[in-house]
Amino acid sequence: NAGVTQTPKFRILKIGQSMTLQCAQDMNHNYMYWYRQDPGMGLKLIYYSVGAGITDKGEVPNGYNVSRSTTEDFPLRLELAAPSQTSVYFCASKNSGGQGYEQYFGPGTRLTVT
Amino acid sequence: RKEVEQDPGPFNVPEGATVAFNCTYSNSASQSFFWYRQDCRKEPKLLMSVYSSGNEDGRFTAQLNRASQYISLLIRDSKLSDSATYLCVVDPVGNEKLTFGTGTRLTIIP
Repeated sequence: NAGVTQTPKFRILKIGQSMTLQCAQDMNHNYMYWYRQDPGMGLKLIYYSVGAGITDKGEVPNGYNVSRSTTEDFPLRLELAAPSQTSVYFCASKNSGGQGYEQYFGPGTRLTVT
Repeated sequence: RKEVEQDPGPFNVPEGATVAFNCTYSNSASQSFFWYRQDCRKEPKLLMSVYSSGNEDGRFTAQLNRASQYISLLIRDSKLSDSATYLCVVDPVGNEKLTFGTGTRLTIIP
């Protein structure tokens, strides 16, 4: 299994540009998540999904959109990039079978908005 | 009160020493607990789950104290490679989202 994969690894955007961060998992996990992590800070949940067709906001959803058309994929869309969105973005997935299941993370996308 | 609280550190510890971190959680109904490790500029990875009876994995020991609502991580005979940020993670009952602490930064000094 490849686990959780993310593309691209790095990206530089100009203010106002748009982009989609890709995330895929091959573990048949129903739960998927997007976090951002600013330098020296903790993880902040942007959006999450408990299954195909279902998404919900986390604590910092403004400026982002998500979709979940398949179990495997959970892309994150930035419509109008702002310098405040400069961060490392991690996608994660988790088994929905109950308590005690760990969350698996992708390697991250490092985004700079200038 | 934050759902999960950790001392951010940094903890600067000489190689070979023993170091311990605590983490407190607010939801008394929480059932599952984990310690994750995050290296600089990398993704978090599971270090170990925390069981009610306590568990050990080599030099690492995790304990759960439900009465006082905290979990702990003990690292014995610390190595340079143990330098990382350690994240306390709680799985609240009936919630699809794990709750992550902000992490405790550990540096092992030669």
